[in-house]
Amino acid sequence: GAVVSQHPSRVICKSGTSVKIECRSLDFQATTMFWYRQFPKQSLMLMATSNEGSKATYEQGVEKDKFLINHASLTLSTLTVTSAHPEDSSFYICSARDLRGLHGYTFGSGTRLTVV
Amino acid sequence: GQQVMQIPQYQHVQEGEDFTTYCNSSTTLSNIQWYKQRPGGHPVFLIQLVKSGEVKKQKRLTFQFGEAKKNSSLHITATQTTDVGTYFCAGPSYNQGGKLIFGQGTELSVKP
Repeated sequence: GAVVSQHPSRVICKSGTSVKIECRSLDFQATTMFWYRQFPKQSLMLMATSNEGSKATYEQGVEKDKFLINHASLTLSTLTVTSAHPEDSSFYICSARDLRGLHGYTFGSGTRLTVV
Repeated sequence: GQQVMQIPQYQHVQEGEDFTTYCNSSTTLSNIQWYKQRPGGHPVFLIQLVKSGEVKKQKRLTFQFGEAKKNSSLHITATQTTDVGTYFCAGPSYNQGGKLIFGQGTELSVKP
């Protein structure tokens, strides 16, 4: 089945620094990838839709300059949390859909970001 | 805006008891998907229902899509400790291609 690889799985960074999270579709091409944020005991909140070769589409309330998304190839999307603050600490998950079959959306394993 | 509501939020059962979670959409859906997220893990696709009134089974799990394609349910028969996790339903956004709208999820805990 479709596999989405997400790295890193955990990261601890200092306030004010930037963190890059990578999401790769390993065995299929993904023209679109989705980035979610999840707080403990809550549902997935869509942050943005990453489109290969064009600008990402951000959900209302999500700061474009803070959460930079780049989708430079059909298999790689990156999310950069810039000037991180403790309130950015969360679980970030990417997902993509393999259009070859009815497999739903495949999620990466997620990145647990802690800003200290 | 479009919403997908899911109840209950939490369900605690004794091992061997049955479990059901319900999902309701504010709009008619072209399909509905179910995902399971284990504690500390990421959502894993379980199934997609497309047809009105469709019922699908996966071993002890039974998924149903309502006739109006606005509601769905997941029923687990004779729960096991391996069923522990949060179950999410999700439907596609009616006006934004590819975007999924997730329910709030139902967290299932199973007491041995």
